[in-house]
Amino acid sequence: DGGITQSPKYLFRKEGQNVTLSCEQNLNHDAMYWYRQDPGQGLRLIYYSQIVNDFQKGDIAEGYSVSREKKESFPLTVTSAQKNPTAFYLCASSIVGLEGALTGELFFGEGSRLTVL
Amino acid sequence: QKEVEQDPGPLSVPEGAIVSLNCTYSNSAFQYFMWYRQYSRKGPELLMYTYSSGNKEDGRFTAQVDKSSKYISLFIRDSQPSDSATYLCATSASKIIFGSGTRLSIRP
Repeated sequence: DGGITQSPKYLFRKEGQNVTLSCEQNLNHDAMYWYRQDPGQGLRLIYYSQIVNDFQKGDIAEGYSVSREKKESFPLTVTSAQKNPTAFYLCASSIVGLEGALTGELFFGEGSRLTVL
Repeated sequence: QKEVEQDPGPLSVPEGAIVSLNCTYSNSAFQYFMWYRQYSRKGPELLMYTYSSGNKEDGRFTAQVDKSSKYISLFIRDSQPSDSATYLCATSASKIIFGSGTRLSIRP
């Protein structure tokens, strides 16, 4: 089945450690995204990528890094510089509409819950 | 001011009631309007998708967009306990902006 796979589903990290969250899609979508979700705050965009080997910072990129070496994969690294990393992280993908505008139709993974001990 | 404002709820209604969920937005450049449903501990899933103003119906769900007042609505008819979830509105032009979500509970 086509979809987005995120792993791990749950992750515990000690302070000062970097962790990498995996996101793979087999939908042949050009665009991929990472969102962070905290209670009562909705989804906040961390990074997004519209094509391979290119990505842009979202609204809360500080303390995070990404790579897009393959169309199917968009891993997110939560670095020790992220002050408050405990959150629910969501990866998504979409097609890119005409004139480069994003159509807004996102397909999400099941999420990864990161807890810093 | 947030670009998309949404009442966080929670909203609790009895089974069978009509539910109205609403959002307002500030940027007239937004072209696409979406509603996502998110069950607890899951990723959001696209529920309704519209382009520009007007109504769109899908079964018990109706999405309504009024671009003149920058108002987005989702109506759920004959609500069911399985509709209990958080509902997120979203809009996009060059990027996608989400509301904070409304937590909805349908009481049997």
